[in-house]
Amino acid sequence: AQSVTQLDSHVSVSEGTPVLLRCNYSSSYSPSLFWYVQHPNKGLQLLLKYTSAATLVKGINGFEAEFKKSETSFHLTKPSAHMSDAAEYFCVVSDLTSGTYKYIFGTGTRLKVLA
Amino acid sequence: GAVVSQHPSRVICKSGTSVKIECRSLDFQATTMFWYRQFPKKSLMLMATSNEGSKATYEQGVEKDKFLINHASLTLSTLTVTSAHPEDSSFYICSARQTLLDSPLHFGNGTRLTVT
Repeated sequence: AQSVTQLDSHVSVSEGTPVLLRCNYSSSYSPSLFWYVQHPNKGLQLLLKYTSAATLVKGINGFEAEFKKSETSFHLTKPSAHMSDAAEYFCVVSDLTSGTYKYIFGTGTRLKVLA
Repeated sequence: GAVVSQHPSRVICKSGTSVKIECRSLDFQATTMFWYRQFPKKSLMLMATSNEGSKATYEQGVEKDKFLINHASLTLSTLTVTSAHPEDSSFYICSARQTLLDSPLHFGNGTRLTVT
């Protein structure tokens, strides 16, 4: 079975500094991986996805993530944080089980951006 | 593209009544929709997987008679919370995926249910 671990439940950065949100996964085959962002009382918005093409994936709002198979990681980064980036971020891996795709969520990382 | 509309965004109901939540894929056909429940400051808990034209698959511990799911068309799934109790108060989120393999999930904006 696949699993996802988000190593940090909370991350605080100053505005204008880099963001690093960590995600590790376990997988028995080549996974598809996603990052989503959730603002308070809202649904989840897709930031980016990895589906076995380029290992460096660029997403919306300046975010990107690199798939590293040797490290089983898919960390999310952004060069310069903006106040509007403050939100909850979820790393998700898709799992094909019994012919049905299931999506396994990490526990989330709350990003706080300090002025 | 790939917009999912969820309605209502907020609902308050009395104990013992039923509440229906709608989830629509506006610009794509969704053969599979998922219903999640999210507790405060927690991750999403998958409740059930809804496949168009067939019965939903419920996760362990989710009462299928309490949380009725209907997926009658390729663009609409509904979740009905029957005989609601205060402990059913929560944030419910639907998502849908297109038929392409490894397609990402597209989420609705969620429904905040409060049972008084």
